[in-house]
Amino acid sequence: AQSVAQPEDQVNVAEGNPLTVKCTYSVSGNPYLFWYVQYPNRGLQFLLKYITGDNLVKGSYGFEAEFNKSQTSFHLKKPSALVSDSALYFCAVRVLNNNDMRFGAGTRLTVKP
Amino acid sequence: NAGVMQNPRHLVRRRGQEARLRCSPMKGHSHVYWYRQLPEEGLKFMVYLQKENIIDESGMPKERFSAEFPKEGPSILRIQQVVRGDSAAYFCASSPPVQAGGLMSPNEQFFGPGTRLTVL
Repeated sequence: AQSVAQPEDQVNVAEGNPLTVKCTYSVSGNPYLFWYVQYPNRGLQFLLKYITGDNLVKGSYGFEAEFNKSQTSFHLKKPSALVSDSALYFCAVRVLNNNDMRFGAGTRLTVKP
Repeated sequence: NAGVMQNPRHLVRRRGQEARLRCSPMKGHSHVYWYRQLPEEGLKFMVYLQKENIIDESGMPKERFSAEFPKEGPSILRIQQVVRGDSAAYFCASSPPVQAGGLMSPNEQFFGPGTRLTVL
């Protein structure tokens, strides 16, 4: 079975400060990890993914995520937050040959001016 | 290249009516996934389809829900005899065909804007 946990329902940061949105996973097998962002009344947008290779993955809009196998984590990060980054962020995990992509419950990021 | 399209964007039904949600995948994509997002919750996988085939319906409720992806036309998620608990956002996603050689590649899925179903 595979699952994803996003331990924080909400993250608040000030504009210009670094941000981290946490994600931990549980899979039997090699994980394929994804981050998506959802703006109000919109569908999900793909941010980045980890399949293999370098543990630090760079994605859209200046976001990056670090795959940590020992801690089974895939935290999303950005060095300097923007007010426009305020949205709902979803972490997801999938295993090779498994069609079921499991999503976390989401973390609401609020960036204040 | 148009993205994944879903219609309608908003759908209101009374209890007992039928709801039909449509999804047109991105051009060249032959895999379609349906997800449900309940208020204040994450996405839950419902069903995975390829053209004319249901590949995985492990997330579909056993009754009242069905999905299809015909050879021609959009994928349809159908909910019969809707109840208030069906009120949710339903998202469709598509991905390209698997790579040659038959190995499933974990391609990112491209999501549509969703259909918000409200059952009165």
